[in-house]
Amino acid sequence: ELKVEQNPLFLSMQEGKNYTIYCNYSTTSDRLYWYRQDPGKSLESLFVLLSNGAVKQEGRLMASLDTKARLSTLHITAAVHDLSATYFCAVVESSTLGRLYFGRGTQLTVWP
Amino acid sequence: DAGVIQSPRHEVTEMGQEVTLRCKPISGHNSLFWYRQTMMRGLELLIYFNNNVPIDDSGMPEDRFSAKMPNASFSTLKIQPSEPRDSAVYFCASSLLGQGPYEQYFGPGTRLTVT
Repeated sequence: ELKVEQNPLFLSMQEGKNYTIYCNYSTTSDRLYWYRQDPGKSLESLFVLLSNGAVKQEGRLMASLDTKARLSTLHITAAVHDLSATYFCAVVESSTLGRLYFGRGTQLTVWP
Repeated sequence: DAGVIQSPRHEVTEMGQEVTLRCKPISGHNSLFWYRQTMMRGLELLIYFNNNVPIDDSGMPEDRFSAKMPNASFSTLKIQPSEPRDSAVYFCASSLLGQGPYEQYFGPGTRLTVT
């Protein structure tokens, strides 16, 4: 079964700082997803990365994918309090089945 | 589009009672997924359907859980009898396989409390 590991699981950072969340997965996949979940809310799609070398940016968040290393990163630039949430990465094992395997999530807290 | 719709949003029931959770996927989507989220176990896939057919139900905890998708616009997840350890948030998600990025869209969830 495909395994997805995120680290760190908990991240507390000061506003204005930069940090990176890492997502490793165990078998070949060409599709990786990042989701955000606010406390008590549902999962919201942030990024879909579909090929090796893909990079996507939205505001202070930038996601990248290295399929050869089986690694995706979510980089946070100049963090602000509104980014506080749990971030999940997810990988699909086979495009024809569509099943996503989720990491445990990274709980991010940004403090003043 | 209204997105994925789930009902009820909150359910409180007593141990031993039957619980039915409902989901309406996004119109035109052909795949539907049921997840359970708890602090201890994180996000778990329970079962998923493609074109209304169950593809993988290996995540269903035990025979007390059952899921159906009688048509493309409706699915149910039933727990009978319910137990306190079933307390969790249950999410339904849908996607369109065969086209595009296969992104899954999640509903708002049903928070189930079994006392």
